[in-house]
Amino acid sequence: DGGITQSPKYLFRKEGQNVTLSCEQNLNHDAMYWYRQDPGQGLRLIYYSQIVNDFQKGDIAEGYSVSREKKESFPLTVTSAQKNPTAFYLCASSYREGGTEAFFGQGTRLTVV
Amino acid sequence: GESVGLHLPTLSVQEGDNSIINCAYSNSASDYFIWYKQESGKGPQFIIDIRSNMDKRQGQRVTVLLNKTVKHLSLQIAATQPGDSAVYFCAEGTGGFKTIFGAGTRLFVKA
Repeated sequence: DGGITQSPKYLFRKEGQNVTLSCEQNLNHDAMYWYRQDPGQGLRLIYYSQIVNDFQKGDIAEGYSVSREKKESFPLTVTSAQKNPTAFYLCASSYREGGTEAFFGQGTRLTVV
Repeated sequence: GESVGLHLPTLSVQEGDNSIINCAYSNSASDYFIWYKQESGKGPQFIIDIRSNMDKRQGQRVTVLLNKTVKHLSLQIAATQPGDSAVYFCAEGTGGFKTIFGAGTRLFVKA
Protein backbone atom coordinates (compact mmCIF):
# COMPACT_ATOMS: atom_id res chain seq x y z
CA ASP A 1 0.00 0.00 0.00
CA GLY A 2 1.22 3.51 -0.79
CA GLY A 3 1.68 5.90 2.05
CA ILE A 4 3.90 8.05 4.18
CA THR A 5 5.66 6.59 7.22
CA GLN A 6 7.16 8.40 10.15
CA SER A 7 9.36 6.82 12.79
CA PRO A 8 9.64 6.55 15.67
CA LYS A 9 6.15 7.23 17.01
CA TYR A 10 7.55 8.40 20.37
CA LEU A 11 10.99 9.86 20.98
CA PHE A 12 12.67 11.10 24.11
CA ARG A 13 15.64 13.40 24.02
CA LYS A 14 17.96 14.71 26.67
CA GLU A 15 18.71 18.41 26.64
CA GLY A 16 21.68 19.21 24.44
CA GLN A 17 21.25 16.22 22.15
CA ASN A 18 20.42 16.21 18.46
CA VAL A 19 17.76 13.77 17.27
CA THR A 20 16.64 12.78 13.79
CA LEU A 21 13.05 12.01 12.84
CA SER A 22 12.47 9.77 9.85
CA CYS A 23 9.95 10.32 7.06
CA GLU A 24 9.57 7.99 4.07
CA GLN A 25 6.96 8.02 1.30
CA ASN A 26 6.27 5.63 -1.56
CA LEU A 27 3.65 7.81 -3.25
CA ASN A 28 6.09 9.15 -5.86
CA HIS A 29 5.41 12.67 -4.60
CA ASP A 30 7.90 15.40 -5.43
CA ALA A 31 7.09 17.71 -2.52
CA MET A 32 7.61 16.90 1.15
CA TYR A 33 7.03 18.96 4.28
CA TRP A 34 7.67 19.03 8.00
CA TYR A 35 5.19 20.62 10.39
CA ARG A 36 5.22 21.13 14.12
CA GLN A 37 2.01 20.90 16.15
CA ASP A 38 1.68 22.24 19.70
CA PRO A 39 -1.42 21.79 21.89
CA GLY A 40 -4.24 24.14 20.93
CA GLN A 41 -2.40 25.40 17.88
CA GLY A 42 -2.44 24.76 14.18
CA LEU A 43 0.36 23.22 12.19
CA ARG A 44 3.40 25.38 11.63
CA LEU A 45 5.71 24.79 8.68
CA ILE A 46 9.33 23.99 9.54
CA TYR A 47 10.87 23.06 6.17
CA TYR A 48 9.64 21.97 2.78
CA SER A 49 11.22 20.43 -0.29
CA GLN A 50 9.88 20.60 -3.82
CA ILE A 51 12.46 18.29 -5.37
CA VAL A 52 15.47 16.14 -4.54
CA ASN A 53 18.51 18.06 -3.28
CA ASP A 54 16.49 21.20 -2.71
CA PHE A 55 14.66 22.45 0.37
CA GLN A 56 13.39 25.74 1.76
CA LYS A 57 12.89 27.14 5.24
CA GLY A 58 9.37 27.45 6.53
CA ASP A 59 8.12 29.79 9.21
CA ILE A 60 9.92 28.19 12.19
CA ALA A 61 13.13 26.67 10.77
CA GLU A 62 15.48 27.85 13.53
CA GLY A 63 16.97 24.92 15.44
CA TYR A 64 16.03 22.38 12.76
CA SER A 65 17.81 20.93 9.74
CA VAL A 66 16.74 18.65 6.88
CA SER A 67 18.14 16.81 3.90
CA ARG A 68 16.58 15.50 0.68
CA GLU A 69 19.04 13.08 -0.87
CA LYS A 70 16.33 10.75 -2.15
CA LYS A 71 12.83 11.45 -3.45
CA GLU A 72 11.34 9.06 -0.93
CA SER A 73 13.04 10.40 2.19
CA PHE A 74 13.01 13.71 4.06
CA PRO A 75 14.56 13.34 7.55
CA LEU A 76 14.32 16.14 10.10
CA THR A 77 17.02 16.78 12.69
CA VAL A 78 16.05 18.63 15.82
CA THR A 79 19.26 20.21 17.04
CA SER A 80 20.28 21.37 20.50
CA ALA A 81 19.74 24.93 19.25
CA GLN A 82 15.97 24.35 19.29
CA LYS A 83 15.03 25.74 22.70
CA ASN A 84 11.56 24.24 22.99
CA PRO A 85 11.56 21.01 20.99
CA THR A 86 8.82 19.13 22.83
CA ALA A 87 5.99 18.84 20.28
CA PHE A 88 4.18 16.60 17.82
CA TYR A 89 5.98 16.53 14.46
CA LEU A 90 4.15 15.77 11.25
CA CYS A 91 5.62 14.95 7.86
CA ALA A 92 3.56 15.33 4.68
CA SER A 93 3.95 14.95 0.94
CA SER A 94 2.10 16.12 -2.15
CA TYR A 95 2.40 16.36 -5.90
CA ARG A 96 4.49 19.34 -6.91
CA GLU A 97 2.08 20.51 -9.55
CA GLY A 98 -1.68 20.81 -9.35
CA GLY A 99 -3.80 19.46 -6.46
CA THR A 100 -3.79 20.86 -2.99
CA GLU A 101 -4.07 17.61 -1.10
CA ALA A 102 -1.24 16.72 1.25
CA PHE A 103 -0.86 13.24 2.71
CA PHE A 104 0.33 13.15 6.30
CA GLY A 105 2.24 10.59 8.27
CA GLN A 106 1.10 9.45 11.71
CA GLY A 107 3.44 11.82 13.50
CA THR A 108 6.31 11.61 15.97
CA ARG A 109 5.85 12.87 19.50
CA LEU A 110 9.15 14.27 20.76
CA THR A 111 9.67 14.89 24.46
CA VAL A 112 12.71 16.48 26.05
CA VAL A 113 13.59 14.91 29.38
CA GLY B 1 0.03 38.97 9.55
CA GLU B 2 -1.73 36.22 7.72
CA SER B 3 -3.81 33.99 9.91
CA VAL B 4 -6.49 31.40 9.76
CA GLY B 5 -8.74 31.19 12.77
CA LEU B 6 -11.81 29.40 13.96
CA HIS B 7 -14.96 30.77 15.58
CA LEU B 8 -15.48 27.87 18.00
CA PRO B 9 -12.80 25.67 19.54
CA THR B 10 -15.29 22.93 20.53
CA LEU B 11 -18.52 21.77 18.93
CA SER B 12 -20.85 19.14 20.38
CA VAL B 13 -23.62 17.62 18.25
CA GLN B 14 -26.10 14.80 18.53
CA GLU B 15 -25.57 11.76 16.35
CA GLY B 16 -27.62 12.14 13.19
CA ASP B 17 -27.67 15.93 13.28
CA ASN B 18 -25.82 18.12 10.83
CA SER B 19 -22.57 19.78 11.96
CA ILE B 20 -21.27 23.14 10.82
CA ILE B 21 -17.68 24.09 11.53
CA ASN B 22 -16.68 27.67 10.76
CA CYS B 23 -13.40 29.29 9.87
CA ALA B 24 -12.29 32.87 9.23
CA TYR B 25 -9.31 33.69 7.08
CA SER B 26 -7.45 36.92 6.50
CA ASN B 27 -5.49 36.52 3.25
CA SER B 28 -7.75 37.53 0.39
CA ALA B 29 -5.06 36.36 -2.06
CA SER B 30 -5.28 32.69 -1.05
CA ASP B 31 -5.85 30.38 -4.01
CA TYR B 32 -7.31 27.43 -2.20
CA PHE B 33 -8.80 26.34 1.08
CA ILE B 34 -8.73 22.88 2.58
CA TRP B 35 -10.41 21.03 5.40
CA TYR B 36 -8.54 18.30 7.25
CA LYS B 37 -9.71 15.87 9.92
CA GLN B 38 -7.32 14.76 12.66
CA GLU B 39 -8.10 11.91 15.00
CA SER B 40 -6.32 11.64 18.31
CA GLY B 41 -2.64 10.69 17.96
CA LYS B 42 -2.80 10.57 14.16
CA GLY B 43 -1.85 12.78 11.26
CA PRO B 44 -4.46 14.97 9.53
CA GLN B 45 -6.48 13.49 6.70
CA PHE B 46 -7.69 15.48 3.71
CA ILE B 47 -11.46 15.92 3.60
CA ILE B 48 -12.22 18.40 0.86
CA ASP B 49 -10.79 21.48 -0.78
CA ILE B 50 -12.17 24.45 -2.65
CA ARG B 51 -10.57 26.89 -5.04
CA SER B 52 -10.98 30.62 -4.58
CA ASN B 53 -13.05 30.88 -7.78
CA MET B 54 -15.76 28.65 -6.30
CA ASP B 55 -18.28 29.28 -3.54
CA LYS B 56 -19.49 25.75 -2.88
CA ARG B 57 -18.23 22.23 -3.25
CA GLN B 58 -19.79 18.97 -2.19
CA GLY B 59 -18.28 15.65 -1.27
CA GLN B 60 -19.57 12.56 0.40
CA ARG B 61 -21.65 13.85 3.36
CA VAL B 62 -19.60 17.05 3.42
CA THR B 63 -20.07 20.47 1.88
CA VAL B 64 -17.64 23.35 1.96
CA LEU B 65 -18.88 26.90 1.53
CA LEU B 66 -16.65 29.84 0.75
CA ASN B 67 -17.75 33.43 1.27
CA LYS B 68 -14.98 35.67 -0.01
CA THR B 69 -16.88 38.84 0.83
CA VAL B 70 -16.55 38.20 4.56
CA LYS B 71 -13.54 35.86 4.30
CA HIS B 72 -15.38 32.95 5.80
CA LEU B 73 -15.18 29.23 5.20
CA SER B 74 -17.43 26.52 6.58
CA LEU B 75 -17.58 22.75 6.60
CA GLN B 76 -20.96 21.10 6.81
CA ILE B 77 -21.18 17.44 7.77
CA ALA B 78 -24.52 15.77 7.12
CA ALA B 79 -25.92 13.12 9.45
CA THR B 80 -22.98 13.31 11.84
CA GLN B 81 -21.72 9.94 13.06
CA PRO B 82 -19.58 8.96 16.07
CA GLY B 83 -16.69 8.33 13.68
CA ASP B 84 -16.75 12.00 12.78
CA SER B 85 -15.47 12.92 16.26
CA ALA B 86 -12.10 14.55 15.69
CA VAL B 87 -10.34 17.88 15.38
CA TYR B 88 -11.07 19.68 12.13
CA PHE B 89 -8.59 22.12 10.66
CA CYS B 90 -9.15 24.65 7.95
CA ALA B 91 -6.16 25.71 5.94
CA GLU B 92 -5.43 28.22 3.23
CA GLY B 93 -2.67 28.47 0.71
CA THR B 94 -1.20 30.20 -2.27
CA GLY B 95 1.08 28.39 -4.66
CA GLY B 96 0.77 25.02 -2.98
CA PHE B 97 3.67 24.96 -0.56
CA LYS B 98 3.11 27.26 2.37
CA THR B 99 -0.29 26.18 3.51
CA ILE B 100 -1.35 27.99 6.69
CA PHE B 101 -3.37 25.97 9.18
CA GLY B 102 -5.87 27.20 11.72
CA ALA B 103 -5.89 26.08 15.36
CA GLY B 104 -8.65 23.51 14.85
CA THR B 105 -12.15 22.80 16.16
CA ARG B 106 -12.84 19.70 18.22
CA LEU B 107 -16.08 17.99 17.23
CA PHE B 108 -17.81 15.76 19.78
CA VAL B 109 -20.61 13.52 18.57
CA LYS B 110 -23.05 12.39 21.27
CA ALA B 111 -24.70 9.04 20.78
